[in-house]
Amino acid sequence: EAGVAQSPRYKIIEKRQSVAFWCNPISGHATLYWYQQILGQGPKLLIQFQNNGVVDDSQLPKDRFSAERLKGVDSTLKIQPAKLEDSAVYLCASSLDPGRTDTQYFGPGTRLTVL
Amino acid sequence: QKEVEQDPGPLSVPEGAIVSLNCTYSNSAFQYFMWYRQYSRKGPELLMYTYSSGNKEDGRFTAQVDKSSKYISLFIRDSQPSDSATYLCGDKLIFGTGTRLQVFP
Repeated sequence: EAGVAQSPRYKIIEKRQSVAFWCNPISGHATLYWYQQILGQGPKLLIQFQNNGVVDDSQLPKDRFSAERLKGVDSTLKIQPAKLEDSAVYLCASSLDPGRTDTQYFGPGTRLTVL
Repeated sequence: QKEVEQDPGPLSVPEGAIVSLNCTYSNSAFQYFMWYRQYSRKGPELLMYTYSSGNKEDGRFTAQVDKSSKYISLFIRDSQPSDSATYLCGDKLIFGTGTRLQVFP
C-alpha cells in the first residue's frame, strides 16, 4: 500500500513570496490533515478535511494560509505572503475516518525555509 | 499552559537499557492517548495508543496512563540503536513537543 505522498520535499523562498504544497493521501482515506511542525516542537494541526469539506480550520492563519481538497482526494496548502515564522515542516496525514482512535498516516513532510 | 507537556531531552542511554518517557496533559476531555515515533526527516508514525488508565503492552513497548494525575508514560525494554528517534505523546490531533531519544551501542 502506497503511503501519503507530498511534494516538494524542500522549498526555500524569500519572505513575502508565495508557496504551495501538494499532498496525495492513501487511497480510500476520507480524512486529510495538514500540520505545521516548527523545529523542536510537535506538529500543530492547521486544517482537517472530511472528503472535500472542512471539519476544523480553527488554527489556520486565514489571512495568509489557504487549503483546498478538490474532489476529496489530493490537497494543496498555500501560503501567501510568507513570513519568516512560517519556516517549518508541513506535514500531511490521512486516515480512513475522523474518529479519535483511527490511525492517521503521515507523509514525509515539506521543509519550508523562508529567508 | 500547553495541553501536553514533554521534556524535550535529549535522553541518551546505552543499548539494552530500559527507557522511560513521560508526558503530562491538562485537558480532562482527552480520552485517547497516543505515542508516535518520529525519525529524523520523516513524518510521525503511530506506535501505540490506549484509552483507559492502566498498562498496554506491545512487544518491547509498554504504554501507561494515569488519568487521575494526567500522566502518560512509555517504557521501552531492551532499547536498540534503531529506537533512536523523537517520541511524541498526545491525543490524535494534539501533540507534545516530543522527547529526543538516543540509544548508543
